[in-house]
Amino acid sequence: EIVLTQSPGTLSLSPGERATLSCRASQSVSSSYLAWYQQKPGQAPRLLIYGASSRATGIPDRFSGSGSGTDFTLTISRLEPEDFAVYYCQQYGSSSLFTFGPGTKVDIK
Amino acid sequence: EVQLVESGGGLVQPGGSLRLSCAASGFTFSSYWMSWVRQAPGKGLEWVANIKQDGSEKYYVDSVKGRFTISRDNAKNSLYLQMNSLRAEDTAVYYCARLGQWLEGGYYYYGMDVWGQGTTVTVSS
Repeated sequence: EIVLTQSPGTLSLSPGERATLSCRASQSVSSSYLAWYQQKPGQAPRLLIYGASSRATGIPDRFSGSGSGTDFTLTISRLEPEDFAVYYCQQYGSSSLFTFGPGTKVDIK
Repeated sequence: EVQLVESGGGLVQPGGSLRLSCAASGFTFSSYWMSWVRQAPGKGLEWVANIKQDGSEKYYVDSVKGRFTISRDNAKNSLYLQMNSLRAEDTAVYYCARLGQWLEGGYYYYGMDVWGQGTTVTVSS
């Protein structure tokens, strides 16, 4: 079973700053099967990135994903007030099983 | 409008059963894999189960195998989760989600691109 680790646990930044979130897998993950989600309090998650680097429909271009193998990154180039939320990476592995990382909370400094 | 609406959550005693439903609209339900994902209070997301378009393949997280059953009725555009032998640790908000699939450059990519608003399951005596 592939385990995903996200760091940092909490990222305290100001609007306009750049956010860099890390997702590390315990084994190599196909880039095709790595996704990122955003979740705000009281809301369902929202798909941001699929295939490690492709933005989902309607996602602003300040969100970008990169990485391969065991190390993946979500970057928010300039934080907007609505971007303060929890971010999860997810992988889709063998036997059609999914796992989520524990999440990174981006809060206002 | 593409939409998923869950129902069926509630308070149930340990050892009890509950059936969750998810009504899909605005897209061709029978063309998509579907998933259940849960979130315990104050915790992260946990994938629970997947089902193929025609219901012929089903997959579960280990912690619910033998207790939960995912199913679908494509004629009714509905997804279900039958939960038996419920435990306190099953307490969570349960979301249904559509598994989107994209073909780009000869490769398939996946992501849960449509989510319901969630239904709350509380297992307590």
